Amino acid sequence: AQSVTQLDSQVPVFEEAPVELRCNYSSSVSVYLFWYVQYPNQGLQLLLKYLSGSTLVKGINGFEAEFNKSQTSFHLRKPSVHISDTAEYFCAVSERAGRRALTFGSGTRLQVQP
Amino acid sequence: NAGVTQTPKFQVLKTGQSMTLQCAQDMNHNSMYWYRQDPGMGLRLIYYSASEGTTDKGEVPNGYNVSRLNKREFSLRLESAAPSQTSVYFCASSAWNTEAFFGQGTRLTVV
Repeated sequence: AQSVTQLDSQVPVFEEAPVELRCNYSSSVSVYLFWYVQYPNQGLQLLLKYLSGSTLVKGINGFEAEFNKSQTSFHLRKPSVHISDTAEYFCAVSERAGRRALTFGSGTRLQVQP
Repeated sequence: NAGVTQTPKFQVLKTGQSMTLQCAQDMNHNSMYWYRQDPGMGLRLIYYSASEGTTDKGEVPNGYNVSRLNKREFSLRLESAAPSQTSVYFCASSAWNTEAFFGQGTRLTVV
């Protein structure tokens, strides 16, 4: 079984400032890692994923994340946020073998202020 | 390209009523999932289907049943709705070794 902890439920930040959304996971097996974004009253959209290879992965809208196996973390970063980045962000994991259903964290609400 | 389509988008039920949430995907994915989203709890897996003809319980299956009708369709049924089932329900699908694609959600209120 896996679990995902998103350490901040809300992150307020000013426009054009950098941001980091933290995610830690726990699993007894190897996992894939994902970040999804949810805009108000919409479904979830994939931001980026780590399957294998380079531990620094780049996604859409200027976001990137780094997989740190020793710290079991997958933090999401953006060097300069825009008002349009205001949304809820979810970290998720799935098993590399066996059941592929995603296990989600509780979400982080990013609030970008002008 | 529709992706994952859920119907209905909104529903209000009285306690004890039954209903079926419909989900269809046009991406030829083998796996399909039903999640519920509640404030502060992220998304929790209700049921999933790894392939046509198979279903398995997730984290919160009580009060729900599912049917994998064919490769495209995966329905979720509430036999006797309860206020605790007020939530936003998401259907998703995935191929092997790829990310999951989500529908737009069904907002269900049980009064």
